[in-house]
Amino acid sequence: GNSVTQMEGPVTLSEEAFLTINCTYTATGYPSLFWYVQYPGEGLQLLLKATKADDKGSNKGFEATYRKETTSFHLEKGSVQVSDSAVYFCAHARNKLIFGTGTLLAVQP
Amino acid sequence: EAGVAQSPRYKIIEKRQSVAFWCNPISGHATLYWYQQILGQGPKLLIQFQNNGVVDDSQLPKDRFSAERLKGVDSTLKIQPAKLEDSAVYLCASSLDDSSGNTIYFGEGSWLTVV
Repeated sequence: GNSVTQMEGPVTLSEEAFLTINCTYTATGYPSLFWYVQYPGEGLQLLLKATKADDKGSNKGFEATYRKETTSFHLEKGSVQVSDSAVYFCAHARNKLIFGTGTLLAVQP
Repeated sequence: EAGVAQSPRYKIIEKRQSVAFWCNPISGHATLYWYQQILGQGPKLLIQFQNNGVVDDSQLPKDRFSAERLKGVDSTLKIQPAKLEDSAVYLCASSLDDSSGNTIYFGEGSWLTVV
């Protein structure tokens, strides 16, 4: 069936470290792929998206590339900040939006 | 542009009681969604409306949950009677239509605790 598997957290990094959060999906056809972020006490916000193979979504220094051959959409950032501390959700949409379980990122000064 | 509005933000009820959550989507958005997010898990779709019609309610526990969007704008989600396992955040979301590439915008959620 359709599903999203993402890296379990929590991920704890020091400020300015490199971030990777892995995400793989199973789906029929070629779904659109998303990363959503949930800051403490706030609702889900779209971080970035990609709608077809080899597309790269980017926003606020974060990037993810739609890899059809590996069915992956890993999230990366070259230098994290304390303000990036949040829960990150990978999701795909074919007929409906299906989320992974979320990865908590904690960035320490 | 105003976002997705939800109320109440927080609700505590006893098991077997009822509760209702209200959602007003972004103006002009035809598609409205209700998600349930249990602590430590990703959001799970409960029901999806396209205008005032139901597109998908396959994961809605219909013995106790109901939702309506009578005029194709705002929506109400009701739980009656509530169980302890219904404690979760109920997220309303909307999008222009149900195309898979459209961005789905979420409200801040209604936090339900059943005791």
